[in-house]
Amino acid sequence: EAGVAQSPRYKIIEKRQSVAFWCNPISGHATLYWYQQILGQGPKLLIQFQNNGVVDDSQLPKDRFSAERLKGVDSTLKIQPAKLEDSAVYLCASSYGQGGPNQPQHFGDGTRLSIL
Amino acid sequence: AQKVTQAQTEISVVEKEDVTLDCVYETRDTTYYLFWYKQPPSGELVFLIRRNSFDEQNEISGRYSWNFQKSTSSFNFTITASQVVDSAVYFCALSNSGGYQKVTFGTGTKLQVIP
Repeated sequence: EAGVAQSPRYKIIEKRQSVAFWCNPISGHATLYWYQQILGQGPKLLIQFQNNGVVDDSQLPKDRFSAERLKGVDSTLKIQPAKLEDSAVYLCASSYGQGGPNQPQHFGDGTRLSIL
Repeated sequence: AQKVTQAQTEISVVEKEDVTLDCVYETRDTTYYLFWYKQPPSGELVFLIRRNSFDEQNEISGRYSWNFQKSTSSFNFTITASQVVDSAVYFCALSNSGGYQKVTFGTGTKLQVIP
């Protein structure tokens, strides 16, 4: 089966600019996650969708980050305006069914964002 | 609150040596799930294993084995006869029991296997 697709692979922008990332989960996976992984750290959940509804966005900096999952399939994550501390790899993951606690997550390759 | 500690930041071993990656967790849940993921240089996290809190049976899969000990809240991962392709960052993760999945990742252990 095709894996989780993410684009772009790399992005370099200046601070205060805006940027958007795209994710297409594995077909049939109802649950989609966006993570931020800062160099040397483990992934930190930003937002979790179940179909097209938000399940958890408690760690999403809502003043600058936004995400949507229209039609319950692919998703976009946007940062506007970007700050230097947003430099990280942004990982998208999906899991089968309703994202139950025992479901392994399948990850994309990530988007490496550098803020100048 | 959930917490996962991977005290080993980096480990270097020579090819064919055995290596154990440590993982210690904290949770108030009586039912929970533990995972190991591998992140090679390409960046994609790859699922390796899942274990639920009621199953303390150790597991072996090829050169990989996992030792789950509830009494010490540990879920250690051993690679036998390491190979260069095992070089990666390995993450231990803990998931809650009820409702939707809320996963806490450790900070990872970077393993370098030297030929």
